[in-house]
Amino acid sequence: KNEVEQSPQNLTAQEGEFITINCSYSVGISALHWLQQHPGGGIVSLFMLSSGKKKHGRLIATINIQEKHSSLHITASHPRDSAVYICAVSPNYGGSQGNLIFGKGTKLSVKP
Amino acid sequence: DVKVTQSSRYLVKRTGEKVFLECVQDMDHENMFWYRQDPGLGLRLIYFSYDVKMKEKGDIPEGYSVSREKKERFSLILESASTNQTSMYLCASSLGGAAYEQYFGPGTRLTVT
Repeated sequence: KNEVEQSPQNLTAQEGEFITINCSYSVGISALHWLQQHPGGGIVSLFMLSSGKKKHGRLIATINIQEKHSSLHITASHPRDSAVYICAVSPNYGGSQGNLIFGKGTKLSVKP
Repeated sequence: DVKVTQSSRYLVKRTGEKVFLECVQDMDHENMFWYRQDPGLGLRLIYFSYDVKMKEKGDIPEGYSVSREKKERFSLILESASTNQTSMYLCASSLGGAAYEQYFGPGTRLTVT
Protein backbone atom coordinates (compact mmCIF):
# COMPACT_ATOMS: atom_id res chain seq x y z
CA LYS A 1 0.00 0.00 0.00
CA ASN A 2 1.31 3.45 -0.88
CA GLU A 3 2.00 5.69 2.08
CA VAL A 4 0.48 8.68 0.28
CA GLU A 5 -2.68 8.22 -1.76
CA GLN A 6 -4.28 10.88 -3.93
CA SER A 7 -7.69 10.99 -5.51
CA PRO A 8 -8.79 11.37 -8.15
CA GLN A 9 -5.94 10.38 -10.47
CA ASN A 10 -7.43 12.42 -13.30
CA LEU A 11 -9.88 15.27 -13.18
CA THR A 12 -11.53 17.25 -15.96
CA ALA A 13 -13.44 20.40 -15.08
CA GLN A 14 -15.12 23.28 -16.82
CA GLU A 15 -13.75 26.75 -16.34
CA GLY A 16 -15.22 28.34 -13.23
CA GLU A 17 -15.88 25.10 -11.36
CA PHE A 18 -14.80 24.48 -7.78
CA ILE A 19 -12.22 21.70 -7.64
CA THR A 20 -11.15 19.45 -4.79
CA ILE A 21 -8.18 17.08 -4.78
CA ASN A 22 -7.75 14.74 -1.84
CA CYS A 23 -4.69 13.27 -0.17
CA SER A 24 -4.54 10.58 2.51
CA TYR A 25 -1.39 9.37 4.20
CA SER A 26 -0.54 6.57 6.58
CA VAL A 27 2.64 7.76 8.33
CA GLY A 28 3.32 10.31 11.05
CA ILE A 29 4.30 13.59 9.50
CA SER A 30 6.02 16.85 10.27
CA ALA A 31 4.41 18.63 7.35
CA LEU A 32 2.39 18.08 4.20
CA HIS A 33 3.21 19.72 0.90
CA TRP A 34 1.13 20.47 -2.15
CA LEU A 35 3.14 20.83 -5.35
CA GLN A 36 2.18 21.84 -8.88
CA GLN A 37 3.80 20.54 -12.03
CA HIS A 38 3.02 22.05 -15.42
CA PRO A 39 3.71 20.20 -18.69
CA GLY A 40 7.44 20.41 -19.34
CA GLY A 41 8.49 19.31 -15.89
CA GLY A 42 9.10 22.15 -13.45
CA ILE A 43 7.63 21.64 -9.98
CA VAL A 44 6.67 24.49 -7.71
CA SER A 45 5.65 24.36 -4.10
CA LEU A 46 2.13 25.67 -3.49
CA PHE A 47 1.72 25.03 0.22
CA MET A 48 3.46 23.50 3.18
CA LEU A 49 1.21 22.95 6.16
CA SER A 50 1.18 21.05 9.41
CA SER A 51 -2.24 22.09 10.74
CA GLY A 52 -5.38 23.95 9.81
CA LYS A 53 -5.77 25.80 6.58
CA LYS A 54 -3.78 28.01 4.21
CA LYS A 55 -5.00 30.20 1.39
CA HIS A 56 -3.18 31.74 -1.53
CA GLY A 57 -5.30 33.47 -4.13
CA ARG A 58 -7.82 30.96 -5.44
CA LEU A 59 -6.07 28.01 -3.83
CA ILE A 60 -6.92 26.68 -0.38
CA ALA A 61 -5.23 23.79 1.39
CA THR A 62 -6.56 22.11 4.50
CA ILE A 63 -5.23 19.35 6.69
CA ASN A 64 -6.78 17.14 9.36
CA ILE A 65 -3.92 15.58 11.30
CA GLN A 66 -6.15 13.20 13.29
CA GLU A 67 -7.70 11.80 10.12
CA LYS A 68 -4.41 11.94 8.16
CA HIS A 69 -6.10 13.70 5.32
CA SER A 70 -5.57 16.88 3.32
CA SER A 71 -7.49 18.59 0.56
CA LEU A 72 -6.49 21.11 -2.07
CA HIS A 73 -9.31 23.31 -3.33
CA ILE A 74 -9.28 25.56 -6.37
CA THR A 75 -12.05 28.13 -6.60
CA ALA A 76 -13.18 29.62 -9.93
CA SER A 77 -10.92 27.27 -11.88
CA HIS A 78 -9.21 28.50 -15.03
CA PRO A 79 -7.51 26.70 -17.93
CA ARG A 80 -4.14 27.92 -16.64
CA ASP A 81 -4.73 25.76 -13.54
CA SER A 82 -4.32 22.69 -15.75
CA ALA A 83 -1.37 20.82 -14.28
CA VAL A 84 -0.46 17.82 -12.18
CA TYR A 85 -0.96 18.41 -8.47
CA ILE A 86 1.21 16.36 -6.17
CA CYS A 87 0.74 15.73 -2.48
CA ALA A 88 3.89 14.94 -0.49
CA VAL A 89 4.57 14.41 3.20
CA SER A 90 7.62 14.95 5.37
CA PRO A 91 7.68 11.86 7.60
CA ASN A 92 8.63 12.39 11.21
CA TYR A 93 10.30 9.08 11.91
CA GLY A 94 13.91 9.07 13.04
CA GLY A 95 16.65 9.79 10.55
CA SER A 96 14.48 11.81 8.23
CA GLN A 97 16.43 14.69 6.74
CA GLY A 98 13.60 16.47 5.04
CA ASN A 99 12.88 13.59 2.68
CA LEU A 100 9.47 13.65 1.08
CA ILE A 101 7.13 10.78 0.33
CA PHE A 102 5.10 11.59 -2.77
CA GLY A 103 1.66 10.71 -3.98
CA LYS A 104 1.34 9.76 -7.64
CA GLY A 105 -0.29 13.05 -8.54
CA THR A 106 -3.64 14.24 -9.84
CA LYS A 107 -3.78 15.41 -13.44
CA LEU A 108 -6.18 18.33 -13.71
CA SER A 109 -7.50 19.61 -17.00
CA VAL A 110 -9.70 22.71 -16.99
CA LYS A 111 -11.64 23.26 -20.21
CA PRO A 112 -12.65 26.76 -21.35
CA ASP B 1 14.21 33.97 -5.24
CA VAL B 2 15.65 30.51 -4.88
CA LYS B 3 17.06 29.17 -8.08
CA VAL B 4 17.85 25.55 -8.76
CA THR B 5 19.37 24.87 -12.15
CA GLN B 6 20.12 21.63 -13.93
CA SER B 7 22.76 21.28 -16.58
CA SER B 8 20.53 20.01 -19.38
CA ARG B 9 16.81 19.93 -20.16
CA TYR B 10 17.13 17.06 -22.60
CA LEU B 11 19.86 14.47 -22.91
CA VAL B 12 20.26 11.43 -25.16
CA LYS B 13 22.90 8.86 -24.30
CA ARG B 14 23.83 5.38 -25.44
CA THR B 15 23.68 2.25 -23.32
CA GLY B 16 26.87 1.81 -21.33
CA GLU B 17 27.89 5.47 -21.35
CA LYS B 18 28.76 7.26 -18.15
CA VAL B 19 26.32 10.11 -17.61
CA PHE B 20 26.67 13.16 -15.38
CA LEU B 21 23.69 15.25 -14.35
CA GLU B 22 24.55 18.47 -12.57
CA CYS B 23 22.44 20.50 -10.19
CA VAL B 24 23.30 23.90 -8.74
CA GLN B 25 21.39 25.94 -6.15
CA ASP B 26 22.11 29.53 -5.23
CA MET B 27 20.55 29.83 -1.77
CA ASP B 28 23.12 28.17 0.47
CA HIS B 29 20.76 25.27 1.15
CA GLU B 30 22.00 22.41 3.30
CA ASN B 31 19.96 19.61 1.73
CA MET B 32 19.92 18.53 -1.88
CA PHE B 33 17.98 15.71 -3.49
CA TRP B 34 17.87 13.73 -6.71
CA TYR B 35 14.56 12.21 -7.83
CA ARG B 36 13.39 10.39 -10.88
CA GLN B 37 9.85 10.65 -12.14
CA ASP B 38 8.14 7.98 -14.21
CA PRO B 39 4.54 7.73 -15.41
CA GLY B 40 2.40 5.85 -12.95
CA LEU B 41 5.16 5.75 -10.33
CA GLY B 42 5.44 9.38 -9.35
CA LEU B 43 8.58 10.87 -7.87
CA ARG B 44 11.07 8.53 -6.24
CA LEU B 45 14.13 9.53 -4.26
CA ILE B 46 17.45 8.31 -5.62
CA TYR B 47 19.94 9.98 -3.27
CA PHE B 48 20.09 12.96 -1.00
CA SER B 49 22.80 14.96 0.70
CA TYR B 50 22.53 16.96 3.91
CA ASP B 51 26.03 18.42 3.85
CA VAL B 52 29.11 18.67 1.69
CA LYS B 53 30.59 15.22 1.06
CA MET B 54 27.67 13.59 2.89
CA LYS B 55 25.20 11.42 1.04
CA GLU B 56 22.42 9.01 1.85
CA LYS B 57 20.70 6.44 -0.33
CA GLY B 58 17.11 6.99 -1.15
CA ASP B 59 14.57 4.45 -2.32
CA ILE B 60 16.15 3.53 -5.65
CA PRO B 61 19.93 4.09 -5.55
CA GLU B 62 20.92 1.08 -7.65
CA GLY B 63 22.82 2.07 -10.77
CA TYR B 64 23.45 5.61 -9.53
CA SER B 65 26.07 7.44 -7.51
CA VAL B 66 26.32 11.06 -6.38
CA SER B 67 28.91 13.64 -5.56
CA ARG B 68 28.72 16.77 -3.44
CA GLU B 69 32.10 18.46 -3.31
CA LYS B 70 30.69 21.97 -2.86
CA LYS B 71 27.60 23.05 -0.98
CA GLU B 72 25.87 24.50 -4.03
CA ARG B 73 26.43 21.59 -6.40
CA PHE B 74 25.05 18.06 -6.33
CA SER B 75 25.85 15.69 -9.17
CA LEU B 76 24.10 12.48 -10.15
CA ILE B 77 26.19 9.91 -11.96
CA LEU B 78 24.97 6.99 -14.00
CA GLU B 79 28.04 4.76 -14.09
CA SER B 80 26.86 2.71 -17.07
CA ALA B 81 23.59 3.96 -18.47
CA SER B 82 20.88 1.45 -19.24
CA THR B 83 17.59 1.80 -21.08
CA ASN B 84 15.62 1.41 -17.84
CA GLN B 85 17.21 4.64 -16.65
CA THR B 86 15.34 6.59 -19.31
CA SER B 87 13.34 8.99 -17.19
CA MET B 88 12.80 12.55 -16.01
CA TYR B 89 15.37 13.50 -13.38
CA LEU B 90 14.60 16.27 -10.92
CA CYS B 91 16.92 17.92 -8.49
CA ALA B 92 15.69 19.78 -5.40
CA SER B 93 17.16 21.67 -2.48
CA SER B 94 15.94 22.77 0.93
CA LEU B 95 17.25 24.82 3.79
CA GLY B 96 17.22 21.99 6.31
CA GLY B 97 15.02 19.27 7.66
CA ALA B 98 11.39 18.35 7.45
CA ALA B 99 9.98 21.79 8.22
CA TYR B 100 11.34 23.37 5.07
CA GLU B 101 10.04 23.57 1.54
CA GLN B 102 11.88 21.89 -1.27
CA TYR B 103 12.73 23.92 -4.35
CA PHE B 104 12.91 22.01 -7.59
CA GLY B 105 14.97 22.41 -10.71
CA PRO B 106 13.39 22.30 -14.18
CA GLY B 107 14.23 18.63 -14.71
CA THR B 108 16.37 16.72 -17.20
CA ARG B 109 14.66 14.33 -19.56
CA LEU B 110 17.19 11.57 -20.16
CA THR B 111 16.77 9.06 -22.94
CA VAL B 112 19.11 6.07 -23.06
CA THR B 113 19.12 4.25 -26.38
